[in-house]
Amino acid sequence: EIVLTQSPGTLSLSPGERATLSCKASQSVTNNYLGWHQQKPGQPPRLIIYGASKRPTGIPDRFSGSGSETDFTLTISRLEPEDFAVYYCQQYAHPPITFGGGTKVEIK
Amino acid sequence: QITLKESGPTLVKPTQTLTLTCTFSGFSLSSDVVGVNWIRQPPGKALEWLALVYWDDDKEYNPSLKNRATIAKDISKSQVVFTMTNMDPADTATYYCAHSSGWRTDHWGQGIPVTVSS
Repeated sequence: EIVLTQSPGTLSLSPGERATLSCKASQSVTNNYLGWHQQKPGQPPRLIIYGASKRPTGIPDRFSGSGSETDFTLTISRLEPEDFAVYYCQQYAHPPITFGGGTKVEIK
Repeated sequence: QITLKESGPTLVKPTQTLTLTCTFSGFSLSSDVVGVNWIRQPPGKALEWLALVYWDDDKEYNPSLKNRATIAKDISKSQVVFTMTNMDPADTATYYCAHSSGWRTDHWGQGIPVTVSS
């Protein structure tokens, strides 16, 4: 099983600042089958990055993903008020599919 | 437009079997590289993937469920049914079904909260 470790657990930032979230895998995630999901309170998650760096239709370009093998990063270039949420990374390269523990991005 | 909706009981007793249904629209579960997942989230905790059924009827399960879970598709009804036996209070969570395309999980249902309590 691939274990995903996200850091930091909580990120306290102000609107307009840059957010950098990390996701480290216990073994290589082949084909970069790594996604990021955003979850707001009381809502289901929403896919914002797949294939490590691809954005689904409708996701703003302030969200970007990078990385390969075992080290992945989600960057939000300039935080908007609606971006304060919990972010989960997910690998779908090797069953069982696994999620990281999440990073909460909160308003400072 | 892809939509998924979970249905089933919101309260089950310990040792009972949970049966949840995911009713979907906007895609066919007979199309290549399409799948439907079940994923849960205990209150205040992280997401946990449970099971996945693929377009070709192949299935994957989280080994942590220790053979308690079954997933099955009914293409004619556009539904996926998930059952889990011997429910325990530790299984209290919101249960989501989610669509996969090309292996990625890309559309989520709203979720159904399930409480396990006597």
